[in-house]
Amino acid sequence: DVKVTQSSRYLVKRTGEKVFLECVQDMDHENMFWYRQDPGLGLRLIYFSYDVKMKEKGDIPEGYSVSREKKERFSLILESASTNQTSMYLCASSLWPGLNTGELFFGEGSRLTVL
Amino acid sequence: KQEVTQIPAALSVPEGENLVLNCSFTDSAIYNLQWFRQDPGKGLTSLLLIQSSQREQTSGRLNASLDKSSGRSTLYIAASQPGDSATYLCAVIRRPTNFGNEKLTFGTGTRLTIIP
Repeated sequence: DVKVTQSSRYLVKRTGEKVFLECVQDMDHENMFWYRQDPGLGLRLIYFSYDVKMKEKGDIPEGYSVSREKKERFSLILESASTNQTSMYLCASSLWPGLNTGELFFGEGSRLTVL
Repeated sequence: KQEVTQIPAALSVPEGENLVLNCSFTDSAIYNLQWFRQDPGKGLTSLLLIQSSQREQTSGRLNASLDKSSGRSTLYIAASQPGDSATYLCAVIRRPTNFGNEKLTFGTGTRLTIIP
């Protein structure tokens, strides 16, 4: 089975702190994604990556950056956390649709609270 | 711009009943459609994926259908159980136009409660 692991399930940070959210997948998937999920707004794409060191902005990239130094790991970085970044963060991965169905697999989520 | 709608937002049914969840999308040029389940405070679990060339997929008590021409998908759950209580989301992925450019558009989900 595909396994997408997010290192932290719950985090509490202070405004202005730098925050790292880590995601690792074990199925050699090319594509990795970071979403945030908020009540009433659904899932919104922050960034995605289709290869090592490649990244593309999603719908709401402001205030975030990402890093993909290895194929299996995709990190989301909040350079200076703000209270409006309090949210559930979800990492996902998939094979490139040209090689597969494009089925998306999610991690368990990281609940971030910024005080 | 693709829009995905799931109505109703919440549904309660007695245990044992069969039920149908709906998903509508505005742009029929999709690559595939995926149904997910989400338990409170957890991530999304993939249930079924239907490719654009398929009409339906089945897994156990679940059956998902796809009608691209009408922009609709349904998730049928047979003989519902309390453990089926969760939020169900559908997501459509557009036909990729270049390498790595596929993106999913999610519906906002239907919160299902099975009453014992």
